[in-house]
Amino acid sequence: DGGITQSPKYLFRKEGQNVTLSCEQNLNHDAMYWYRQDPGQGLRLIYYSQIVNDFQKGDIAEGYSVSREKKESFPLTVTSAQKNPTAFYLCASSRLAGTYEQYFGPGTRLTVT
Amino acid sequence: KQEVTQIPAALSVPEGENLVLNCSFTDSAIYNLQWFRQDPGKGLTSLLLIQSSQREQTSGRLNASLDKSSGRSTLYIAASQPGDSATYLCAVNQAGTALIFGKGTTLSVSS
Repeated sequence: DGGITQSPKYLFRKEGQNVTLSCEQNLNHDAMYWYRQDPGQGLRLIYYSQIVNDFQKGDIAEGYSVSREKKESFPLTVTSAQKNPTAFYLCASSRLAGTYEQYFGPGTRLTVT
Repeated sequence: KQEVTQIPAALSVPEGENLVLNCSFTDSAIYNLQWFRQDPGKGLTSLLLIQSSQREQTSGRLNASLDKSSGRSTLYIAASQPGDSATYLCAVNQAGTALIFGKGTTLSVSS
C-alpha cells in the first residue's frame, strides 16, 4: 500500500529535551512538508523539501530542524529552543508536476511538560 | 501575504440537509485549491482539488467550486449524513509548493 507513515503516534517529552519525529513515504514523491496544528488553528508550515539534501524554512521554522538524506524520509527534530512545542505535527508529500496534490500522514501528537 | 478564511467556524445540521461551506482567499494568484476532511486526532484526507483553470470538481455527494477572480470557493455537501461530521479545511497552493490553510469549519450532522 502506498502512503505516508509517521511515528510515533503519541510522544511525551520533558522540557529541554530534543525530540525527532519520523516521516516516511513510499509514493515516490519529490516534495515533503512538515506542518504544525494547534487547537482551533489551521495548519502552519514549518519546513519543506523539494529534493534530497535541500530544504527551505516555512513560516514557523524557529526551534525546528530537518534533514532529507533520502527521498523517502524527512525527519523533523523539535529542539529545546522551540518555546511552545506541544502540538499536532503533520507530514505531507506531493509530486512536483501535474496537480501538486498533497497527501498527509496520520500525524504525531507531541506533548512537552 | 495570502490569507485564507473559512466561514462558518462551526455548523450543526440535521441529517439529510444540503449544506455549503465557504472559503475565501485574499490573493487570486493561486495554482490550485484543496478541500480536506479531518476527523478528531487524525491526519487530513484530501476530498477535492480544483486547479486554477477549473470552475468546479465533483466527487459523490461533494461538489467544490472555485471563483478565482473573487477569491472564493465553496464546498457543497448533498444529503448530509452523521458520518460527514468532521472538520473541513480549505487550503490554497500559490506556487506549486506549500499549502496555506484556513482554520476550518467543524461540521456536526445529527441523526
